[in-house]
Amino acid sequence: SQTIHQWPATLVQPVGSPLSLECTVEGTSNPNLYWYRQAAGRGLQLLFYSVGIGQISSEVPQNLSASRPQDRQFILSSKKLLLSDSGFYLCAWSPGTSTDTQYFGPGTRLTVL
Amino acid sequence: AQSVAQPEDQVNVAEGNPLTVKCTYSVSGNPYLFWYVQYPNRGLQFLLKYITGDNLVKGSYGFEAEFNKSQTSFHLKKPSALVSDSALYFCAVRDIPNRDDKIIFGKGTRLHILP
Repeated sequence: SQTIHQWPATLVQPVGSPLSLECTVEGTSNPNLYWYRQAAGRGLQLLFYSVGIGQISSEVPQNLSASRPQDRQFILSSKKLLLSDSGFYLCAWSPGTSTDTQYFGPGTRLTVL
Repeated sequence: AQSVAQPEDQVNVAEGNPLTVKCTYSVSGNPYLFWYVQYPNRGLQFLLKYITGDNLVKGSYGFEAEFNKSQTSFHLKKPSALVSDSALYFCAVRDIPNRDDKIIFGKGTRLHILP
């Protein structure tokens, strides 16, 4: 069966520090991968999605970036964090066809102080 | 462009009563519709989806949803609510059948089941 992992689970970082969040999927190959941010326990904002290694689409221009160095690895990064980057970051994967469900990881709670 | 609306920020239901969480959508083609549930500090869990076929879709934990094309709705229902059903519920829609397509999520409805 497929599983999705995210780490770290929680992170407290000072403003201006760099960020690296990692997401990995097991038990499947060539998945679509997604990064979402959830603020204040409500709606989801799609940040990035990827349909293959090195293929990243950005949904919202901001100081975050994403990379997919391996088929089942998706990384969210920032060179300098802002206070507004605080939130709950969710990674998701899907098998890649239009009817397929997205499956979510456990999330990373990021607090920028 | 596709969109989805959850008109209620919060729904309160007494334990044992039936519950409904509303969702309406707008798409240019045929909709693919999803419901997810989120418990505090957890990722979203898939409940059910409608792609085609029977308008009544059954999912996890006793939930079901009814696709109504004329009303462009996909309301989530359960015959008898449990306190453990208290959570945040998201409706989602997709109508572009491309490999790099995306799901659009509603803003979420917080369900409170009162003991």
